[in-house]
Amino acid sequence: KNQVEQSPQSLIILEGKNCTLQCNYTVSPFSNLRWYKQDTGRGPVSLTIMTFSENTKSNGRYTATLDADTKQSSLHITASQLSDSASYICVVNPQAGTALIFGKGTTLSVSS
Amino acid sequence: GAVVSQHPSWVICKSGTSVKIECRSLDFQATTMFWYRQFPKQSLMLMATSNEGSKATYEQGVEKDKFLINHASLTLSTLTVTSAHPEDSSFYICSASPDSYEQYFGPGTRLTVT
Repeated sequence: KNQVEQSPQSLIILEGKNCTLQCNYTVSPFSNLRWYKQDTGRGPVSLTIMTFSENTKSNGRYTATLDADTKQSSLHITASQLSDSASYICVVNPQAGTALIFGKGTTLSVSS
Repeated sequence: GAVVSQHPSWVICKSGTSVKIECRSLDFQATTMFWYRQFPKQSLMLMATSNEGSKATYEQGVEKDKFLINHASLTLSTLTVTSAHPEDSSFYICSASPDSYEQYFGPGTRLTVT
């Protein structure tokens, strides 16, 4: 069964600290893996998209890694800011043009 | 670029009435549009996939006669919730795809049925 599992479910960190969110997937075939940020009451916004041949991709303070062999990905956030408080969703696209498979997300709270 | 809008952003309607939600791709043509529903603290659940000019494909468990989807142009798709009930209250999000690779999400519509 195609599944995307994320951990932790929620996380609280102090402003300025770094954190890493995890994503494991059992999706086959595999086209690409995406990380989205979703603010409360808003639609998801894309942070990174990686194909199986890409190991890492950065977008400002966000760095995503992908190990296609172990089917694991991580999202590292450096020097967290209060505005980073949101839900971070790992999404796998099995094939171009097919439905995306969503993880349940990690809720990140950054406090001052 | 790649902006997707939804209207309205929030709506309150009475039980038994119908409500229409619009999804527009503002700066690109979307060959495919997707409709999702999201309950509190849950992930997005795909409801249906629509291609311009053809009937929508609904996911298992989604009533096509209750959730009417129209994709009349390459920039507009509508979702009509017919005979709405309180259990239809949710956050509805659309996404638009200009190709088979990228997918851009709208800001969502909060529906509350009283």
